[in-house]
Amino acid sequence: NAGVIQTPRHKVTGKGQEATLWCEPISGHSAVFWYRQTIVQGLEFLTYFRNQAPIDDSGMPKERFSAQMPNQSHSTLKIQSTQPQDSAVYLCASSPWDNSGNTLYFGEGSRLIVV
Amino acid sequence: QQKVQQSPESLTVSEGAMASLNCTFSDGTSNNFRWYRQHSAKGLEVLVSIFSDGEKEEGRFTAHLNRANLHVSLHIREPQPSDSAVYLCAVSMSNYNVLYFGSGTKLTVEP
Repeated sequence: NAGVIQTPRHKVTGKGQEATLWCEPISGHSAVFWYRQTIVQGLEFLTYFRNQAPIDDSGMPKERFSAQMPNQSHSTLKIQSTQPQDSAVYLCASSPWDNSGNTLYFGEGSRLIVV
Repeated sequence: QQKVQQSPESLTVSEGAMASLNCTFSDGTSNNFRWYRQHSAKGLEVLVSIFSDGEKEEGRFTAHLNRANLHVSLHIREPQPSDSAVYLCAVSMSNYNVLYFGSGTKLTVEP
């Protein structure tokens, strides 16, 4: 079975440009999570979906960040007007989120660099 | 929001010596604890999950949970250089709540 797939693995964008990150969860997993990882802040929760519906976005910056899950096979995280402080590794994880447990299975991340 | 803290920030052990990592959390009603490992520039790999006080062993990895002391630890038996990585503690309020992570312990295992 393929794991969680994230694309692109690396992205360099200029300040003020838009960045879109993609995540393909493990087939059959009903929950998809987005986290952001930096050296200073560590691993921060951003948002999650269950059965494609947004459940909790309490970690999302209120401006410029948005996430969607248009179908069960992919989710996107969009950052508008990127700023240098958005530079981080963005990690996507999926989980069966059922009686078998809620273990998160992570992708290898998308490293975003804003210059 | 749950606060999760890990210590030490970094740890160096010799191959074969026991490695012990610590994690404290802020909410005593939490009941879902996991240890993950992250090799450089890679995703996270779950090592062991524990849901009640006591001990849970998965191969060479053993987690100890004491919710009264707001403490969960990870012990790695006979560590090998390939175990060198960042180890992350994750805590959630229940089985179906968001996992919050500590900042990690960087483990180096010397041959």
